[in-house]
Amino acid sequence: AQSVAQPEDQVNVAEGNPLTVKCTYSVSGNPYLFWYVQYPNRGLQFLLKYITGDNLVKGSYGFEAEFNKSQTSFHLKKPSALVSDSALYFCAVRALSGTYKYIFGTGTRLKVLA
Amino acid sequence: ETGVTQTPRHLVMGMTNKKSLKCEQHLGHNAMYWYKQSAKKPLELMFVYNFKEQTENNSVPSRFSPECPNSSHLFLHLHTLQPEDSALYLCASSQESMRGRVDTEAFFGQGTRLTVV
Repeated sequence: AQSVAQPEDQVNVAEGNPLTVKCTYSVSGNPYLFWYVQYPNRGLQFLLKYITGDNLVKGSYGFEAEFNKSQTSFHLKKPSALVSDSALYFCAVRALSGTYKYIFGTGTRLKVLA
Repeated sequence: ETGVTQTPRHLVMGMTNKKSLKCEQHLGHNAMYWYKQSAKKPLELMFVYNFKEQTENNSVPSRFSPECPNSSHLFLHLHTLQPEDSALYLCASSQESMRGRVDTEAFFGQGTRLTVV
């Protein structure tokens, strides 16, 4: 079965410190991987994606993610966290199961402490 | 903001009511999706439309009825809902090539917060 796992329900980090939000995936074929962020009562906003090419992908608001094929991971990172980064983060994989669709992880709440 | 507009933003309905959620995308995409987001549950894919044809129905109860009259509009018709159907309903669109190559990411609307009383 094709799936995405986000093992942490919540991640706390102090402002200015580096942050990592973890994601692992299981998909047949080439993985197309995405990170989205959601603020309260809002839709999902796209942050970055991995389709092919460099394993380190840079995205919006200073975020980046590293694709690791051997570990089937796509962790989201930022060198220096801001309080405004506090939100709900979703990892997603575009999978083919009957039809193409986006499968999301359960989400990780990031809390950046001032 | 993202090119995907959902209306209304908030909806309160009784269990005997009939209402519809509307989604419109201005991005020229050929695929549209309905997701349900409940508290403390993962995003649930409900329906997928590709080129106006429904290609996925993820075991959704018949009290939810989707409609895709053209590639820019997607509706979710609601009738005789239950309180557990209260959730944030998200619409998304993407551009899918015939060969399955990823042309772009999925774009989401702001969602409709539905409360069933």
